[in-house]
Amino acid sequence: SQQGEEDPQALSIQEGENATMNCSYKTSINNLQWYRQNSGRGLVHLILIRSNEREKHSGRLRVTLDTSKKSSSLLITASRAADTASYFCATSGAGSYQLTFGKGTKLSVIP
Amino acid sequence: GAVVSQHPSRVICKSGTSVKIECRSLDFQATTMFWYRQFPKKSLMLMATSNEGSKATYEQGVEKDKFLINHASLTLSTLTVTSAHPEDSSFYICSAKLDRGGGETQYFGPGTRLLVL
Repeated sequence: SQQGEEDPQALSIQEGENATMNCSYKTSINNLQWYRQNSGRGLVHLILIRSNEREKHSGRLRVTLDTSKKSSSLLITASRAADTASYFCATSGAGSYQLTFGKGTKLSVIP
Repeated sequence: GAVVSQHPSRVICKSGTSVKIECRSLDFQATTMFWYRQFPKKSLMLMATSNEGSKATYEQGVEKDKFLINHASLTLSTLTVTSAHPEDSSFYICSAKLDRGGGETQYFGPGTRLLVL
């Protein structure tokens, strides 16, 4: 069953601004991953954070994880028009490689 | 590295026909592949886990006789939508997990858009 819930569902910002997307989940997890999907295309893996980690960085991306609140956030700094896409969080439990995806946030970066 | 391809990228078929979608890991071996379905403006729903050399594991509510999965080699899994109907129209995406290295990361194919008339 789907357990990830992203908010906001849609986000529109100006180029150069930061974009923050949140994800909540319901059950215990082994790790949480963020993926990006351009319209009508496959998914691109962005970053993985394990349940024992609190924060992770990769380039302009910053991910936080709060297992006590069962939530995660993805921050994209200095956004670019090319960042326009849908962003999904996905969780997997202990001993399983199966991913459960959230509903996604559609990000629009206006040049 | 870690490229996954899907074929075809787009298919239109008549109701009642069967459609086969291929998912290939191009530069790595993948004992385990996954098939997802995505409706417009919706998230991905896991349909089944495909295991090389054994039967696929289907998620609850997914008809195994409707969505036939074959994982005959370490680089190829196929999904056949049998007797397709308009309600089967969707975006089908596969992913593969590296047998060695890669950890928990899944690598996704570009997707196949199926339209059943």
